[in-house]
Amino acid sequence: EAAVTQSPRNKVTVTGGNVTLSCRQTNSHNYMYWYRQDTGHGLRLIHYSYGAGNLQIGDVPDGYKATRTTQEDFFLLLELASPSQTSLYFCASSDAGGTQYFGPGTRLLVL
Amino acid sequence: GQQVQQSPASLVLQEGENAELQCNFSTSLNSMQWFYQRPGGSLVSLFYNPSGTKHSGRLTSTTVIKERRSSLHISSSQTTDSGTYLCALERGGADRLTFGKGTQLIIQP
Repeated sequence: EAAVTQSPRNKVTVTGGNVTLSCRQTNSHNYMYWYRQDTGHGLRLIHYSYGAGNLQIGDVPDGYKATRTTQEDFFLLLELASPSQTSLYFCASSDAGGTQYFGPGTRLLVL
Repeated sequence: GQQVQQSPASLVLQEGENAELQCNFSTSLNSMQWFYQRPGGSLVSLFYNPSGTKHSGRLTSTTVIKERRSSLHISSSQTTDSGTYLCALERGGADRLTFGKGTQLIIQP
C-alpha cells in the first residue's frame, strides 16, 4: 500500500503570509500531484511532477509555486497567501497511468 | 464545459438498499478511477477501471467507453458507506486526472 504523508495537517496564516506545505511518499512513485478541494469545485490540480527537479503546471496554478526536491518529497509554496487560497489541500502519488494514492490532506485557513 | 459530470449530486438511502452512481465524460478516456472520500476528508482508491466491469466486495464499477460513462454500484448499502464518491478521468495522452464534483451518499439506519 502506498504511503503518502502531508504536513502540517492544519495551518492558519494571515493575508500576505508565507506558507509551505510538505508531502512525502515512500513508494518510489515517479508522479506526484498537488490538488485543492473546495465546495462546488471538487478536486482541482495545482501542480504536478514527473520526478525530482521536474515541475508541470496544472489547472489552477496562479499564486502557487511547487518544488520536487527528491523522488520522495514534493512541496507547495504560497509566497503571498490570500483568503481565496483557504482550502483543503491534497497531495497524491502514482506510477505512470496508474492509481493515484492520496495523503490525508492539509486544511489551510488564510485570515 | 465540464468534462466530467457526476450524478446524482446527493443520494439518501435506507440501509440495505442498492446505490447506483453515475459518471459521464465528454473527452477521450485513458482510464477512469473511482475514489471514496471519508467524512473526515481522506480519499481512498476504489477502482482503476479503463473499461469493462470490475468487482470488489459489494462494489461494482462498469466503464463503457463508447457511451462515455462509468458507474459505481453499491449493493446492500451500510451506514459506513456514507461519504462522498468521486470519479476521475485520465484523458488520453495525459498523466493527470480530471475529477467530477462528487456524489454525497447518506445511508440511514
